[in-house]
Amino acid sequence: RKEVEQDPGPFNVPEGATVAFNCTYSNSASQSFFWYRQDCRKEPKLLMSVYSSGNEDGRFTAQLNRASQYISLLIRDSKLSDSATYLCVVNFLSGGYQKVTFGTGTKLQVIP
Amino acid sequence: DVKVTQSSRYLVKRTGEKVFLECVQDMDHENMFWYRQDPGLGLRLIYFSYDVKMKEKGDIPEGYSVSREKKERFSLILESASTNQTSMYLCASSQQYGQYFGPGTRLTVT
Repeated sequence: RKEVEQDPGPFNVPEGATVAFNCTYSNSASQSFFWYRQDCRKEPKLLMSVYSSGNEDGRFTAQLNRASQYISLLIRDSKLSDSATYLCVVNFLSGGYQKVTFGTGTKLQVIP
Repeated sequence: DVKVTQSSRYLVKRTGEKVFLECVQDMDHENMFWYRQDPGLGLRLIYFSYDVKMKEKGDIPEGYSVSREKKERFSLILESASTNQTSMYLCASSQQYGQYFGPGTRLTVT
C-alpha cells in the first residue's frame, strides 16, 4: 500500500461548482499535513496546512480525519484559475527526522 | 517571501557526464531537499539536509550525491549521468512547516 494515495482525476467541474478531494495515508503516526497546488510546468506551492479542527482560507477548507486516516480539501465557488494539480503531503517522524511524503496529485480542471 | 532559486531551468547533458545542480535559498532555512518529479510517479525525495555539512538519503539516492557547505546552498551531483535520470529536479527549503520550492530544472540526458 502506498504511504499517501490520491485519486489522480481529472476532476472536470463547471465554474461555480463545489469540489472535494480526499487523500488517504497509511502511517497512523503521521504528524502534520498539507495541501499544495502545482500549476502545469511550475513548482508546487504551499496552499494550506491541515489541522484536526479543520481550517478555512477563503473558498478553501481543509479537514483531517485521524480515525479514518484521510485529509480532504474542499473548494467552493470554483474559478477557472483553480485549475491545477493538488498534492497532499504527510509528515511523520522516521529515524529522528521528519519524513515528508507527497501524494501523486489530483488534477482539477474548471470548465467555463 | 521565501525565495528558492535553481541554477538552470533547462539542461541537456550527455550520458556519462558529471552534472551539478545548484539550489540557493534566502530565508536562512535549516532544511533543504532535492526531489525529482516524473509523470505518474509524483515527487520522490533524493536527498535532504537538516544542517550544514549534513546529509541524509531519501527514497531514491542511487546515482546521486549532494553537498551542503553553506546554509543557503544545497547542490545535487549526478556523478555519471544516465538516460534514466532525465527528469524534472526540484529543490525545496523549509523551517518548521511546509516546504518552499524552486522553479525546477528540467534535465535531459541524451
